[in-house]
Amino acid sequence: DTGVSQNPRHKITKRGQNVTFRCDPISEHNRLYWYRQTLGQGPEFLTYFQNEAQLEKSRLLSDRFSAERPKGSFSTLEIQRTEQGDSAMYLCASSGTETTNEKLFFGSGTQLSVL
Amino acid sequence: AQKITQTQPGMFVQEKEAVTLDCTYDTSDPSYGLFWYKQPSSGEMIFLIYQGSYDQQNATEGRYSLNFQKARKSANLVISASQLGDSAMYFCAMRGRSNYQLIWGAGTKLIIKP
Repeated sequence: DTGVSQNPRHKITKRGQNVTFRCDPISEHNRLYWYRQTLGQGPEFLTYFQNEAQLEKSRLLSDRFSAERPKGSFSTLEIQRTEQGDSAMYLCASSGTETTNEKLFFGSGTQLSVL
Repeated sequence: AQKITQTQPGMFVQEKEAVTLDCTYDTSDPSYGLFWYKQPSSGEMIFLIYQGSYDQQNATEGRYSLNFQKARKSANLVISASQLGDSAMYFCAMRGRSNYQLIWGAGTKLIIKP
C-alpha cells in the first residue's frame, strides 16, 4: 500500500493557461474524490468517481474544470483558461466503500498558483 | 443544510498537556459520521478518529479521543499528553447526506510549545 499519489506537487502557471493534475489512488480503492482547499479553509468537495463513473459534481466545478477516470484507476483533473481564483491546493482522496464510517485516504495535494 | 463549525482558529498548548479542539455540527439526518483529520505542513490529510451518530461510546484511538455530545451536536477532539509533532491544522468533518461527500470545518491551528 503506497498511499494516494498526486502529481505534480506544485504547479505555477499564467492566467489563461490550461493545467492538468494526476491522482493515483490506493490500488484496491474504487472510489475517488477531488477536493479543493484554499488558504485558511477546510477542503471543498469538487467531484466523486465510483470506478470510471463520475457520480457527482459540485456546483463549484465550473465548465472550465473537467475530471476523468478513464479506466477506473488513476484520475486527472484539468482546468482550462486558468484564473487567479483557481489558486488553491487540489486534494485527491480514495476509499474502498461508501459506508458512513469509511475514512478517506488523501494524497499530499497539488498546489496551484495562477499568476 | 449541513455545517461544521470550528470556533478556535488557533491554539497554543504546552507540551505534555492535554488539549481539546472544539467542533459543533448541524444536520437533520439521523445517521451521520464525524471525522477528525490532521494536516501537517506537508499538506497531507491524516485520518485521526471517527464517531458514528449511533455509537453509544465515545471513540478512542491511542492518544486521541472524541467527546461526542449528541444533544449538543458537538464532537470535540481531545489529545492527551501532547507532543511537539502534534503541531498541525486539525479539521473536523461530517459525512454528508449523499454519504460520500465530507463537509469540513475551517480548522484549528494547534501549536505545541516545548
